[in-house]
Amino acid sequence: AQSVAQPEDQVNVAEGNPLTVKCTYSVSGNPYLFWYVQYPNRGLQFLLKYITGDNLVKGSYGFEAEFNKSQTSFHLKKPSALVSDSALYFCAVRDLPHSNYQLIWGAGTKLIIKP
Amino acid sequence: DAGVTQSPTHLIKTRGQQVTLRCSPKSGHDTVSWYQQALGQGPQFIFQYYEEEERQRGNFPDRFSGHQFPNYSSELNVNALLLGDSALYLCASSLGLADNEQFFGPGTRLTVL
Repeated sequence: AQSVAQPEDQVNVAEGNPLTVKCTYSVSGNPYLFWYVQYPNRGLQFLLKYITGDNLVKGSYGFEAEFNKSQTSFHLKKPSALVSDSALYFCAVRDLPHSNYQLIWGAGTKLIIKP
Repeated sequence: DAGVTQSPTHLIKTRGQQVTLRCSPKSGHDTVSWYQQALGQGPQFIFQYYEEEERQRGNFPDRFSGHQFPNYSSELNVNALLLGDSALYLCASSLGLADNEQFFGPGTRLTVL
């Protein structure tokens, strides 16, 4: 069965430091992987996706993620955190080539950037 | 270019009542997915509509039903509301079933008393 795990409920980082939000997944086929961000009282915003190709994916707002097939991970990273990055981050996976287009979501990680 | 819109923003109902939530997809999108997000959890897939038909369904009871109109807008209906139905209901639109990027609306916060 497909699943996504975000092992950290909360990540605290000082402004200007690098940040990492972890995600591991389990699928039977090849994964399509996504990161979304959710600000308070707002819907989910797309950050980046991995479909195929280069394992390092660059996305919005300076975020990037690295796909690691052997570790079944897709960790979200940013070289220098901003206070405005504080939000809830979700990792999601879609299992291809199965004909099921629904996304399976992690429980989310609250990112807190301290000035 | 209008994004995904949802109405109403907030809704309070009592147990046993019925509710209808509405979603208008992003301009140019033809596929609508609905998600339930309980407090402190990730979204749970309810179902997806394309060409006015339900194409995929998550693990939700038949009390949850939907509809898609010719203009691609969609409704989510929940009958016989339970306290556990209290959640943020998110609508996401995309172009085609295989499109990989979904655009989300701000959600409807449903409270069941």
